[in-house]
Amino acid sequence: EDKVVQSPLSLVVHEGDTVTLNCSYEVTNFRSLLWYKQEKKAPTFLFMLTSSGIEKKSGRLSSILDKKELFSILNITATQTGDSAIYLCAVELTGNQFYFGTGTSLTVIP
Amino acid sequence: DAGVIQSPRHEVTEMGQEVTLRCKPISGHNSLFWYRQTMMRGLELLIYFNNNVPIDDSGMPEDRFSAKMPNASFSTLKIQPSEPRDSAVYFCASRPTGHNSPLHFGNGTRLTVT
Repeated sequence: EDKVVQSPLSLVVHEGDTVTLNCSYEVTNFRSLLWYKQEKKAPTFLFMLTSSGIEKKSGRLSSILDKKELFSILNITATQTGDSAIYLCAVELTGNQFYFGTGTSLTVIP
Repeated sequence: DAGVIQSPRHEVTEMGQEVTLRCKPISGHNSLFWYRQTMMRGLELLIYFNNNVPIDDSGMPEDRFSAKMPNASFSTLKIQPSEPRDSAVYFCASRPTGHNSPLHFGNGTRLTVT
């Protein structure tokens, strides 16, 4: 059975801290891995990763994929209160299928 | 680009009533997905369409759930009769054809069945 597991389930940090969120997967027919940020409404797209070892970066956020060990990490440096959200990891399979993890809830305290 | 549009934003109904959720995908996106999100199970795929044709409905919980996509710009998810365990946030998402394109989500419909 295809599965996507995220850890930790929740995290509380202080502003300025660096956090690392984890996503591991066991799927057949892997195509890509995606990260989303969900605040109160719709999940918003952060990164799509298809190749191992190539870091994607956007401001204070970065992510990398390891297709051999079947995991990805999302790093956030110098966290701010606006980073408080649920971070979702999804794996895309061939055939237009996306499986989501249950997410990591991040709370950044001022 | 107005994004994926869902309606209503909130729906409160009594057990046994019919509920219809609506979605307008982003223009030009030919794949449309319906997801359900709960605290316990996260985001679960219910059904998806390609070029208005249902491709995979294996996630639809039971016969009380049905989905249609009569044209490229509109889809509905219907629950009849509704039950309290259907209470969740229902998201619609769309994506264009081709690789390396993420899902774009609507703001969801929060359904409460009492």
